[in-house]
Amino acid sequence: DQQVKQNSPSLSVQEGRISILNCDYTNSMFDYFLWYKKYPAEGPTFLISISSIKDKNEDGRFTVFLNKSAKHLSLHIVPSQPGDSAVYFCACSGAGSYQLTFGKGTKLSVIP
Amino acid sequence: ETGVTQTPRHLVMGMTNKKSLKCEQHLGHNAMYWYKQSAKKPLELMFVYNFKEQTENNSVPSRFSPECPNSSHLFLHLHTLQPEDSALYLCASSQGGIAGWSEKLFFGSGTQLSVL
Repeated sequence: DQQVKQNSPSLSVQEGRISILNCDYTNSMFDYFLWYKKYPAEGPTFLISISSIKDKNEDGRFTVFLNKSAKHLSLHIVPSQPGDSAVYFCACSGAGSYQLTFGKGTKLSVIP
Repeated sequence: ETGVTQTPRHLVMGMTNKKSLKCEQHLGHNAMYWYKQSAKKPLELMFVYNFKEQTENNSVPSRFSPECPNSSHLFLHLHTLQPEDSALYLCASSQGGIAGWSEKLFFGSGTQLSVL
């Protein structure tokens, strides 16, 4: 019973196009959401986050959207670049807890 | 050095061996974590330390024994492991502390462990 699901194990996108990575969660107590990026042989690095009081947060080419009623968040990357090729993890936490619950990750490949 | 450093990067051990994983953070953080990433599974939290005190043990088997001598160093002592313990072990740190936790974790590169 995964609380955080990333249903697409992989995604291929052409350079310059938009990449959309999706994440669904089941726990209504989650109120803070993060995306991490992981390159091979490296640890995950924080990318962008959003709290439940917002529905959108933007940072350069990266935008995270939150739909609380649907318990769904997505990460948009536009324009996608080959250097964005990595595994992207969605993570959620709830009510001041330090515990992050991660999804399994989506491997993004941006094709030049 | 900056960030979170883990050693060794790779480790192969037999089921009867005893080994230790080391993590060091140079970020001035107060909280440190051990995560496990098995193939095709999400990252799983194992242990959390805040100000050197263990605040979380996610039902981890006793063959994994953490040690946090100070806020900058974290160890994971391994003994009599099983082949299913083969995984990537990631150390992370965050602000932590009395003022409240930060969910923004800084991860090391991990130790890829293989148990034969």
